[in-house]
Amino acid sequence: GAGVSQSPRYKVAKRGQDVALRCDPISGHVSLFWYQQALGQGPEFLTYFQNEAQLDKSGLPSDRFFAERPEGSVSTLKIQRTQQEDSAVYLCASSKTGPSGTEAFFGQGTRLTVV
Amino acid sequence: AQRVTQPEKLLSVFKGAPVELKCNYSYSGSPELFWYVQYSRQRLQLLLRHISRESIKGFTADLNKGETSFHLKKPFAQEEDSAMYYCALKMGSNYQLIWGAGTKLIIKP
Repeated sequence: GAGVSQSPRYKVAKRGQDVALRCDPISGHVSLFWYQQALGQGPEFLTYFQNEAQLDKSGLPSDRFFAERPEGSVSTLKIQRTQQEDSAVYLCASSKTGPSGTEAFFGQGTRLTVV
Repeated sequence: AQRVTQPEKLLSVFKGAPVELKCNYSYSGSPELFWYVQYSRQRLQLLLRHISRESIKGFTADLNKGETSFHLKKPFAQEEDSAMYYCALKMGSNYQLIWGAGTKLIIKP
């Protein structure tokens, strides 16, 4: 597949459970972004990677959220001790070049429901 | 604070009618504006960006710095235009996108 791939597509977690969301960007894409999209809202920035370096994590809502991209390709967003307000669609996007640039391609998202 | 406002949550027009989806932004610097579209059960995809000044699928959008607007227009709507449309702002060289809440466009036959 040529696009950004996210897994799982749907995740139901019990409150307090840890979850891990995976993003496979387009091969060779330097930049990788995570966004959180609550119901009825636009996406909100969480964090940004340039290759393996996490250059900005200012959008992560709490220290329960952690993201990594250890080899500059696949990225994982981990949420510890999930709470109901974490319920949202988590979107991953990648783009070819560094931050100043080009079109970002989105994955289909992971819909997280915390019960 | 920087903000993108899409005042209409839902816009419903008849096929063949003109469409205008409104987007206003708040940013004092040099903005870059985008429209993204999400068709049913599909991923977000870029529709157009103001710097390329192109027309995609018959849609155009002009950046009006005086009115801080970037409205999306199409003269004759088609049923396949039904989708969620998001306006997004990029501030200078900052890579973050600030998004509006989206407008759901429904084209009635």
